[in-house]
Amino acid sequence: AQKITQTQPGMFVQEKEAVTLDCTYDTSDQSYGLFWYKQPSSGEMIFLIYQGSYDEQNATEGRYSLNFQKARKSANLVISASQLGDSAMYFCAMRESVLFGNEKLTFGTGTRLTIIP
Amino acid sequence: EPEVTQTPSHQVTQMGQEVILRCVPISNHLYFYWYRQILGQKVEFLVSFYNNEISEKSEIFDDQFSVERPDGSNFTLKIRSTKLEDSAMYFCASTEGTYEQYFGPGTRLTVT
Repeated sequence: AQKITQTQPGMFVQEKEAVTLDCTYDTSDQSYGLFWYKQPSSGEMIFLIYQGSYDEQNATEGRYSLNFQKARKSANLVISASQLGDSAMYFCAMRESVLFGNEKLTFGTGTRLTIIP
Repeated sequence: EPEVTQTPSHQVTQMGQEVILRCVPISNHLYFYWYRQILGQKVEFLVSFYNNEISEKSEIFDDQFSVERPDGSNFTLKIRSTKLEDSAMYFCASTEGTYEQYFGPGTRLTVT
């Protein structure tokens, strides 16, 4: 079974609109973390936002927010007021119970977001 | 701001040749990782490294792969005998143990 599922392979959004990128996850651990990374065409992985499983508040970082619904095991990324520079691939990732010396991330297949002027 | 660096940015090699991909993690970080991304696919975990030894490795990380921290600053991934299917972007990442993993810019490996 996939641990991280991103069901939207591609999305087109008008500039200045808000966009929600979906992510669902599967884990039996109580302690885990969820991440979103942005990968522009240049290829680097840019950290956007993090949500811990025990965090009661949804994480926010500037125009990015994470809609964390624990019971539904979803961690959707919301980008407000989208900009042309937001066009990129977006990956959801999970870190499960931290083993000492190992915090490996498991990634989803990604969503390619294209912002239309 | 401190960053993870990787060299080279692009490596072209012939099948069967050995390659070494180099990474310089952020200086106070203790945990190091290699990930691989085949073109158009998701990022996959290869190996984690802590306290000068491998913490975990994936099934991709077979006997052809090895990692080393030779001098306290560099962190290397060696592929002994490259195959066509090793062509991918290889990312190094490091963390001090807090939540964020800092990724390097990647090395694109092309095996011909």
